[in-house]
Amino acid sequence: GENVEQHPSTLSVQEGDSAVIKCTYSDSASNYFPWYKQELGKRPQLIIDIRSNVGEKKDQRIAVTLNKTAKHFSLHITETQPEDSAVYFCAAMDSNYQLIWGAGTKLIIKP
Amino acid sequence: NAGVTQTPKFQVLKTGQSMTLQCAQDMNHNSMYWYRQDPGMGLRLIYYSASEGTTDKGEVPNGYNVSRLNKREFSLRLESAAPSQTSVYFCASSDQGMGSPLHFGNGTRLTVT
Repeated sequence: GENVEQHPSTLSVQEGDSAVIKCTYSDSASNYFPWYKQELGKRPQLIIDIRSNVGEKKDQRIAVTLNKTAKHFSLHITETQPEDSAVYFCAAMDSNYQLIWGAGTKLIIKP
Repeated sequence: NAGVTQTPKFQVLKTGQSMTLQCAQDMNHNSMYWYRQDPGMGLRLIYYSASEGTTDKGEVPNGYNVSRLNKREFSLRLESAAPSQTSVYFCASSDQGMGSPLHFGNGTRLTVT
């Protein structure tokens, strides 16, 4: 079945710098890749998603890139701000239409 | 619109007690889900309902049952609670299965002693 690995587990960056979180997946038939942000004690919320027919998608300071050949996708956050501090989860929808989740990355923005 | 509403927000049970977690959505979504999240971990799917009238097991269904009461409501029942079921439970809904954005409720924090 599908397996999603997410790295790093913790990422600490200086405010204003960029942050990159990477995920790899195993099912080559996966075709939908969402990213969710979860602030402490809150519910996960979708921040961006990408489908397999697109290589990159941007929404203001957030972007996601997808490399289908290598089976990995990444979240890029530019000009990081204190409110970006949270846990970020990637996921991949496999050939059985199930979302398989990564273990999460705790992003810490240092002032 | 309230989105996805879960009740209760907090619950403490003794081992062996039963309870039902309630979830309702007002977005006219077809699919609904129950996840659990243990400290420092990701989300694990317990059960889901792709559409009204259907339910299917997820990754960790043992010890749980679900009911899709109607299109709006999807409940999760613990028949005999165990300490291993201490977790935060999230209900979610989506318009067109897992290939569309999931909208989560605020969660139920359950402790089993």
